[in-house]
Amino acid sequence: DGGITQSPKYLFRKEGQNVTLSCEQNLNHDAMYWYRQDPGQGLRLIYYSQIVNDFQKGDIAEGYSVSREKKESFPLTVTSAQKNPTAFYLCATDRGSTDTQYFGPGTRLTVL
Amino acid sequence: DQQVKQNSPSLSVQEGRISILNCDYTNSMFDYFLWYKKYPAEGPTFLISISSIKDKNEDGRFTVFLNKSAKHLSLHIVPSQPGDSAVYFCAATSGGGADGLTFGKGTHLIIQP
Repeated sequence: DGGITQSPKYLFRKEGQNVTLSCEQNLNHDAMYWYRQDPGQGLRLIYYSQIVNDFQKGDIAEGYSVSREKKESFPLTVTSAQKNPTAFYLCATDRGSTDTQYFGPGTRLTVL
Repeated sequence: DQQVKQNSPSLSVQEGRISILNCDYTNSMFDYFLWYKKYPAEGPTFLISISSIKDKNEDGRFTVFLNKSAKHLSLHIVPSQPGDSAVYFCAATSGGGADGLTFGKGTHLIIQP
């Protein structure tokens, strides 16, 4: 079954702790993206990766880190440096040669 | 500085009528535009897109119109159905989309019976 998997659906962490959000895809897409959505806001780009072992900062990269060791996986770490980490996080992919991105189901992170 | 603007936070339309969602952009480098539909606590679902070389694209009940001179696009849904109730996001990109999408804040469409 092809698709984009984000786990877990809901995540709770204490303030000051780092947390890693998972994004896995079996679509064989080259490019992967992380966005965050806040209430009443659009999606904002955190990081993106066009190929394995390479990634670039998006509009709001501060306090986040990523890795792209495998084509299928693009985990996002929310560090303690991120001042407002509570949000809905969305992972997306595309084939790299097309502009249409497809989204995973999202992870709701709540920092207590 | 918002580059993609959806000025109507919400829109209420009667079932069976036409829904028109609007989107304005400021960045003249944008050359590809997309509409996504989103339910709460779910990822956005791609609906329809349009390249800047076209002024209209149609897919079933969904039609997107692009007016480049006005930097404006609109999504028409006809006829509107109860399942269309969701938040609709307009997104734009340039240069093949390699740098990700720029989203508007969304319009909450409510279809009334």
